[in-house]
Amino acid sequence: DAKTTQPTSMDCAEGRAANLPCNHSTISGNEYVYWYRQIHSQGPQYIIHGLKNNETNEMASLIITEDRKSSTLILPHATLRDTAVYYCIVRVGANNLFFGTGTRLTVIP
Amino acid sequence: DTAVSQTPKYLVTQMGNDKSIKCEQNLGHDTMYWYKQDSKKFLKIMFSYNNKELIINETVPNRFSPKSPDKAHLNLHINSLELGDSAVYFCASSSLARGPPRNYGYTFGSGTRLTVV
Repeated sequence: DAKTTQPTSMDCAEGRAANLPCNHSTISGNEYVYWYRQIHSQGPQYIIHGLKNNETNEMASLIITEDRKSSTLILPHATLRDTAVYYCIVRVGANNLFFGTGTRLTVIP
Repeated sequence: DTAVSQTPKYLVTQMGNDKSIKCEQNLGHDTMYWYKQDSKKFLKIMFSYNNKELIINETVPNRFSPKSPDKAHLNLHINSLELGDSAVYFCASSSLARGPPRNYGYTFGSGTRLTVV
């Protein structure tokens, strides 16, 4: 599975959109982009995934560039409960899920 | 109802002891996993297991062994506990049996914090 690069940490004001970038320049054609998050002391939680097209669900939106070498997770209206570590993972189908270091997002009141 | 449940939530034990952590999932998933999260917060996969295949991360000591009495359970047995085994252990499950467009998303338990003294 391709390697990903994320900023170590980010801050976001409560109520504003949080935009979390991820670089995956070595992604191959059959690899999906997954996002998980881990809120303090809890197990990781699936957020969203995509292959080529932008995706949206009740939690977030995922924007994937046309060349697929990077993506952005968007939390449209961040709340204090969104403070967590966010992991961007590139993965082929049913392969095991490998976590990197992620981005620690802090939502500020 | 909890989808993936682990017990106990906390476990404190002495070096050299043997202990088990239990995991159960009620999602009908066919594959279960154990992850270890150390003090530096790195999440590392230890095992993946379904009724056909056990895949062991080669870095996991053989003191760790998964036991699966059925598809809904994957317990983790640890022999001769060492100080370095102190960590949070997460169980997870997913369904690999169905093809696309399934997302192969994982559902994680809430973790077991193991402290070896």
